[in-house]
Amino acid sequence: DAGITQSPRHKVTETGTPVTLRCHQTENHRYMYWYRQDPGHGLRLIHYSYGVKDTDKGEVSDGYSVSRSKTEDFLLTLESATSSQTSVYFCAISDRGEVQPQHFGDGTRLSIL
Amino acid sequence: QKEVEQNSGPLSVPEGAIASLNCTYSDRVSQSFFWYRQYSGKSPELIMSIYSNGDKEDGRFTAQLNKASQYVSLLIRDSQPSDSATYLCAVSPGNQFYFGTGTSLTVIP
Repeated sequence: DAGITQSPRHKVTETGTPVTLRCHQTENHRYMYWYRQDPGHGLRLIHYSYGVKDTDKGEVSDGYSVSRSKTEDFLLTLESATSSQTSVYFCAISDRGEVQPQHFGDGTRLSIL
Repeated sequence: QKEVEQNSGPLSVPEGAIASLNCTYSDRVSQSFFWYRQYSGKSPELIMSIYSNGDKEDGRFTAQLNKASQYVSLLIRDSQPSDSATYLCAVSPGNQFYFGTGTSLTVIP
């Protein structure tokens, strides 16, 4: 199994609070991705990174920011959480972008009340 | 228009039968195609990758790709109850992956 750890695994918080999710990999892969998964929408890309300090927006990036200061860590921040951001968040990694498959972490279940 | 379309199902097949899962995509420049399996409450896990037109077999799984028709499929032979899951099709035209909403498969013992 790919060495990907997401933390926390579960979180409940209130509307308006900041939230940071962490993805840590031990595979030294260049590409890292954050997705959210919601019923009826499937997996949707939030942001991705193609190297340290190199990030780009995905399909549903509004309300989210990311940072990658080290190869192994990719952080997703909800600056002011809203109930619409209640979801399951998955981190994925890939060695060579589009030509290699992505491998997923176990996910973070985030509930915003 | 969605990038990747899959029938949501549910698809039910008896144990031992062939399950056929289909996926169409809209971006003609897509070069990489993947099938993932996702059990309820778990993360997606890779089953197959396919990059060229034709068939690719791996055990009980066969992926089929037709770029001219923008169509990719997954066949599961000798279906087992443990194959009951949601199957996600993913397509990559570049650095981003686009996922379908998945097809729910139930294998009936």
